[in-house]
Amino acid sequence: GAVVSQHPSRVICKSGTSVKIECRSLDFQATTMFWYRQFPKKSLMLMATSNEGSKATYEQGVEKDKFLINHASLTLSTLTVTSAHPEDSSFYICSAYPGTGNNEQFFGPGTRLTVL
Amino acid sequence: AQKITQTQPGMFVQEKEAVTLDCTYDTSDPSYGLFWYKQPSSGEMIFLIYQGSYDQQNATEGRYSLNFQKARKSANLVISASQLGDSAMYFCAMRDSTNFGNEKLTFGTGTRLTIIP
Repeated sequence: GAVVSQHPSRVICKSGTSVKIECRSLDFQATTMFWYRQFPKKSLMLMATSNEGSKATYEQGVEKDKFLINHASLTLSTLTVTSAHPEDSSFYICSAYPGTGNNEQFFGPGTRLTVL
Repeated sequence: AQKITQTQPGMFVQEKEAVTLDCTYDTSDPSYGLFWYKQPSSGEMIFLIYQGSYDQQNATEGRYSLNFQKARKSANLVISASQLGDSAMYFCAMRDSTNFGNEKLTFGTGTRLTIIP
């Protein structure tokens, strides 16, 4: 299957700093990428839909100024958590949609963010 | 609005037995897709199987099969001959035509499956 990478896999930062997470589709082009957040023992919550070359579409309740998304190319989307606080600590997962096949999304391995 | 319900928060199954993970969905759209993903403790989401609403036959992928009962709006995942490596969280997800074009998925709350040796 298609491969999606995320970097970093784990990050610890101080409160007030910003953290950038990269999501790359390694062997296909993805016009659409998605960013999810997952709390421990909970389901995935969609944060935003990222389309190459246009602004991201945020889900209700997600602060777009807090979670900046940039989809600069067909293989790269970035999520920047600005002025991170302890409540932003979570597991962030991206997925990429190649637009072919069974319409499945391919997920990255996730990034565990801990804000001290 | 669409909704995915997984009523089994946790299941314990003996190795080599078959297991059925329940998933019901709610949509008024005639065109939709149903997915099952596996999430091991490492965190990555692994695609298992897909069923389209217009598919005439139940989807199968190796040891995975999807028991699709359209009238009941259920899409249960069946794992045959379970293995220790099947221990993980399993999520059911749906996409309907309101999301065609951006392919958004709605996920259920998941079922934690534990295979007992």
